[in-house]
Amino acid sequence: GAVVSQHPSWVICKSGTSVKIECRSLDFQATTMFWYRQFPKQSLMLMATSNEGSKATYEQGVEKDKFLINHASLTLSTLTVTSAHPEDSSFYICSASADRVHGWANVLTFGAGSRLTVL
Amino acid sequence: RKEVEQDPGPFNVPEGATVAFNCTYSNSASQSFFWYRQDCRKEPKLLMSVYSSGNEDGRFTAQLNRASQYISLLIRDSKLSDSATYLCGTNTGGFKTIFGAGTRLFVKA
Repeated sequence: GAVVSQHPSWVICKSGTSVKIECRSLDFQATTMFWYRQFPKQSLMLMATSNEGSKATYEQGVEKDKFLINHASLTLSTLTVTSAHPEDSSFYICSASADRVHGWANVLTFGAGSRLTVL
Repeated sequence: RKEVEQDPGPFNVPEGATVAFNCTYSNSASQSFFWYRQDCRKEPKLLMSVYSSGNEDGRFTAQLNRASQYISLLIRDSKLSDSATYLCGTNTGGFKTIFGAGTRLFVKA
């Protein structure tokens, strides 16, 4: 089946540093990937759509310069949280669609998530 | 108004009970509908897609009412292992999926 790998699974960093999270589709190609953020006991909020070979599309209220997204190949998207602050501490989850695997359209497969703690 | 809204729960039910979750969506252009299950501190996993005619997978039944912009999930004969958060999601034909806040279910022995 479709597998999305995300790394690291958890990270602790100091305030002001930058953190990079990688998202890979292991057995399929993904021209589009999605980055979500989830605060404890809250909903999964879409941050941006990552497009292979072009700029990411950000949702309203998400700072482009804060959350840098690069989708350089058909199997890899990265999210960099720049100058991280404690309020950026959250669960970041990437996803991609491998509808050919499921046999129907538009179903997302999620990575295992990356739990970021900014001290 | 949020694009996708769900009963917040939590629902506390005994084993063997039948429980139903509701979800409403505001975007009339929504074309695809899903229920995902999310365990604590884990990623969401697809439970089932929701088709116009309604669909069933074992103990789980999903219904879609386009006129009312309403989706439901029915779980019969609840198991302890069903305890999780259930997320309702929709998209408008592409892959970009918007989720509700989730409904928490606790099944007790």
